[in-house]
Amino acid sequence: DQQVKQNSPSLSVQEGRISILNCDYTNSMFDYFLWYKKYPAEGPTFLISISSIKDKNEDGRFTVFLNKSAKHLSLHIVPSQPGDSAVYFCAASARYGGSQGNLIFGKGTKLSVKP
Amino acid sequence: DVKVTQSSRYLVKRTGEKVFLECVQDMDHENMFWYRQDPGLGLRLIYFSYDVKMKEKGDIPEGYSVSREKKERFSLILESASTNQTSMYLCASSGNYEQYFGPGTRLTVT
Repeated sequence: DQQVKQNSPSLSVQEGRISILNCDYTNSMFDYFLWYKKYPAEGPTFLISISSIKDKNEDGRFTVFLNKSAKHLSLHIVPSQPGDSAVYFCAASARYGGSQGNLIFGKGTKLSVKP
Repeated sequence: DVKVTQSSRYLVKRTGEKVFLECVQDMDHENMFWYRQDPGLGLRLIYFSYDVKMKEKGDIPEGYSVSREKKERFSLILESASTNQTSMYLCASSGNYEQYFGPGTRLTVT
């Protein structure tokens, strides 16, 4: 049973436009969420995170929004650049639920930004 | 910057061989993890460790074992490699909740 779901395996966006990547979760104990970016033949790199006490976190072109009632988060990239083309993984953690920092990952969304 | 290194980027082994994948981190992190990544399946946790000599099974531990003799080093062992263990193997370490990944080892078992 998938606790973290990324329902879109792929997304194609024009350069300069907004990319919106979505993630849904089922476990109400999750209280910390992260996005990772992965290029082929490389390890994932941490991008941005958000605690459940917030509903928005920004870092440059990247913004993560959290809707706890809907158990939904999204990553916005504005403006999108060709170098953003990668697989994006959503991850969640239950910091006080005994998981000791384990992350549960979604299956990823492959973003293609076309020039 | 956190640095996580893995012993090999690419590895080709024969069915039945014993395979060692090494991972070293330089940030004095307590927690270390081994994942495999397969197309359409995302990142799946094989084993993790919260301290030296400690290990816990993840979601897919079958066919694998691990060793953590020193805090900075976490090894993944395939006791008898099989073709269904062909995959990208990723090591990670964390102090809190952000996990930092190594570059990965692409293992092919023929």
